[in-house]
Amino acid sequence: DVKVTQSSRYLVKRTGEKVFLECVQDMDHENMFWYRQDPGLGLRLIYFSYDVKMKEKGDIPEGYSVSREKKERFSLILESASTNQTSMYLCASSPGFLAGAASYNEQFFGPGTRLTVL
Amino acid sequence: AQKVTQAQTEISVVEKEDVTLDCVYETRDTTYYLFWYKQPPSGELVFLIRRNSFDEQNEISGRYSWNFQKSTSSFNFTITASQVVDSAVYFCALSGDDKIIFGKGTRLHILP
Repeated sequence: DVKVTQSSRYLVKRTGEKVFLECVQDMDHENMFWYRQDPGLGLRLIYFSYDVKMKEKGDIPEGYSVSREKKERFSLILESASTNQTSMYLCASSPGFLAGAASYNEQFFGPGTRLTVL
Repeated sequence: AQKVTQAQTEISVVEKEDVTLDCVYETRDTTYYLFWYKQPPSGELVFLIRRNSFDEQNEISGRYSWNFQKSTSSFNFTITASQVVDSAVYFCALSGDDKIIFGKGTRLHILP
């Protein structure tokens, strides 16, 4: 079974802190994604990556950056956390060798990290 | 631009009733994929089904069935004889430009 793990289920940080959210998958998937989920807004894509050291902006990249130094790990970074970044953060991975494969293969999700910024 | 609309934000039914979750999509692509995901209270999204645009056959998996109609751009999901464990948020999704586009989800409550 595909396993996607996220470093924390719950996280509380203060405004202005630098926050790292880690995601690891164990199925050698090429594509990895970061979403945030807010009530009434559904899932919104922050960033995705279809290869090591590659990254693509999603729909709401402002205030975030990412890092993918190894195939299995995709990190989301909040450079200076703000209260409007309080949310549920979901990581996902999917197989596929080409950039377009990120759109047509099913994604496997981690359990999510509920981040609260005070 | 691609878009997925799940008009039902929240539905409540009594256990053992059948329930249909609606999904309407917009795309200019001739080849595309549609998905359904389930998010139980634990929070982890679970993949349920993927269907490509060339396959309009309905699909049944146990109590779950999916009705794909290209003519109306819909990909509806029916749960037959619902159970309390079906309570969750269900997301419909569509393949887009290098990513999957999710609807806003339908929260389903199955009442005992």
